[in-house]
Amino acid sequence: AQSVSQHNHHVILSEAASLELGCNYSYGGTVNLFWYVQYPGQHLQLLLKYFSGDPLVKGIKGFEAEFIKSKFSFNLRKPSVQWSDTAEYFCAVTSRSNDYKLSFGAGTTVTVRA
Amino acid sequence: DAGVTQSPTHLIKTRGQQVTLRCSPKSGHDTVSWYQQALGQGPQFIFQYYEEEERQRGNFPDRFSGHQFPNYSSELNVNALLLGDSALYLCASSYQGGNTIYFGEGSWLTVV
Repeated sequence: AQSVSQHNHHVILSEAASLELGCNYSYGGTVNLFWYVQYPGQHLQLLLKYFSGDPLVKGIKGFEAEFIKSKFSFNLRKPSVQWSDTAEYFCAVTSRSNDYKLSFGAGTTVTVRA
Repeated sequence: DAGVTQSPTHLIKTRGQQVTLRCSPKSGHDTVSWYQQALGQGPQFIFQYYEEEERQRGNFPDRFSGHQFPNYSSELNVNALLLGDSALYLCASSYQGGNTIYFGEGSWLTVV
């Protein structure tokens, strides 16, 4: 079945630590990839997106993600997190094979300790 | 520039009742999608409306229906509410052919 998998359910970090969140998808063909963030009490916001071109994508707030086609992965990274990065992070995919419906992973809760 | 707006923000309904949630898309957007986000899960696609017609549908029963108006705003209706329908309902908008979707803050529905 087509799906989006996020490996970590809950990640706890200290400020200034590096963050990497895993995302794998099982859709074939061309995909569009997204990372969304949901801060406590706020709506989903787009962090970054990949459609084509350079597989290393830079987004807002110092986040970046790397598309590795051979591994069907789109991992999110940030070299040094801040307390304000505490949020829930969702990987999402659209694919022609899924009629371009936006399909989300289950999310990863990130808690950054001051 | 107004983003995606949803109403109401919170509501409580009793099993068996019906609910209507409303959404106004971001200015310039003509396509509205609805998602259900249960606690601890990612959003699940319900359906998408464009040109006042349902264009795509996720794996949700017919109790979930919608409508899009000429001004592109949309409603989500859920009939015969079940306890399991308790969730955050998200509206998202885009323009047809566009690749980026913007989300509203959602409507929290609690079914008791």
